Amino acid sequence: GQGVEQPAKLMSVEGTFARVNCTYSTSGFNGLSWYQQREGQAPVFLSYVVLDGLKDSGHFSTFLSRSNGYSYLLLTELQIKDSASYLCAVRDRANSAGNKLTFGIGTRVLVRP
Amino acid sequence: EAAVTQSPRNKVAVTGGKVTLSCNQTNNHNNMYWYRQDTGHGLRLIHYSYGAGSTEKGDIPDGYKASRPSQENFSLILELATPSQTSVYFCASGDAGTGYAEQFFGPGTRLTVL
Repeated sequence: GQGVEQPAKLMSVEGTFARVNCTYSTSGFNGLSWYQQREGQAPVFLSYVVLDGLKDSGHFSTFLSRSNGYSYLLLTELQIKDSASYLCAVRDRANSAGNKLTFGIGTRVLVRP
Repeated sequence: EAAVTQSPRNKVAVTGGKVTLSCNQTNNHNNMYWYRQDTGHGLRLIHYSYGAGSTEKGDIPDGYKASRPSQENFSLILELATPSQTSVYFCASGDAGTGYAEQFFGPGTRLTVL
């Protein structure tokens, strides 16, 4: 079957970094997306990766290893306002409708001073 | 200007009652989705649509129906609401432009079934 796993919580310090891990299992991987969701608000798209390696988008970077079923979202130079939940979502080619995303539970990142 | 809107934003319903959640998008996207979000479960797909007139079952469709009367509108219908359907519901839209990887979400509807 298909599953997406993320740790529930992560704490870090302002000015440092946080790495949000995501592992997945799928029969036909077709891309992985990251979303940010602030408390009481809707998810907002951050990044999409489909090829192995590191994709640097400045404040946010994403890494993917398809052979290991693993991705991470790296937040650098953390600010208090980066405190939010970060959702990992996988698109599976093998789905009858390849346009569906399967979401993990989200990792709540708390940035403290 | 918000591209995906939902109504109502908050709803209290009684067990056995009928509830309709509405979603409107101005993105001109073909695909629309209904999710629910509960602590410990993340976002789970209830129903989705490829375009006007189409509805498809998602991962947890039991107890829900959907209707897509037009490109812009997608409704989620709870014919006989139960307390287990208390949740936050999100509507989203997407299309082939981003390989369907990017979905645009509405602000959510908080539903409480008593």
